[in-house]
Amino acid sequence: QSVLTQPPSVSGAPGQRVTISCTGGGSNIGAGYDVHWYQQLPGTAPKLLIYDNYNRPSGVPDRFSGSKSGTSASLAITGLQAEDEADYYCQSYDSSLSGSVFGGGTKLTVL
Amino acid sequence: QVQLQESGPGLLKPSETLSLTCTVSGDTISSYYWSWIRQPPGKALEWIGYIDYSGSSNYNPSLRSRITMSVDTSKNQFSLNLRSVTAADTAMYFCARENIYGVEGWFDPWGRGTLVTVSS
Repeated sequence: QSVLTQPPSVSGAPGQRVTISCTGGGSNIGAGYDVHWYQQLPGTAPKLLIYDNYNRPSGVPDRFSGSKSGTSASLAITGLQAEDEADYYCQSYDSSLSGSVFGGGTKLTVL
Repeated sequence: QVQLQESGPGLLKPSETLSLTCTVSGDTISSYYWSWIRQPPGKALEWIGYIDYSGSSNYNPSLRSRITMSVDTSKNQFSLNLRSVTAADTAMYFCARENIYGVEGWFDPWGRGTLVTVSS
């Protein structure tokens, strides 16, 4: 059972927009700690996609965007492409654990 | 460009000690924090802990009693020891640089990972 809750799967057709939610609690997202997002393509290591809630590292397309409100955060992907098919993880800091916590991951399928 | 590479045995027996090393290139280990993260087959990521160049560390409470991390600045490497492994420790183990500000941070970049299997 992950500290941060994500939907197990989402799907969308090429060109569409999808969102992935990440819900936490009062000791992590709700306490004001930032949320970061990672993309894990099949058989590869996770790659940083969004840091500090909405910032994109150099090289990440602007089709990916992040937001945060209250005890939740969201990752939005617009103009879906086949290459976006991957697992996506959110991550934050938890003061009860005094360390980083991850969501359970969401598998994105491009129909 | 910063690169990380994990190394260590891929197969262990129950009760043995898992020992992994991460070699950092393109950056000095005397900056940032350096972390271990694992992923059991088909499951989610789990933060194991981090260490900095001085040896200051922070471990996941669920693993703290079995973990030791160390750093070798002369080789630009950091290491993980996990004692008394069981089948539940079977996972892909990743090393990563943790960009920490205050107490929180994000992981970038990551190593490619090394699969560790615990089986009798």
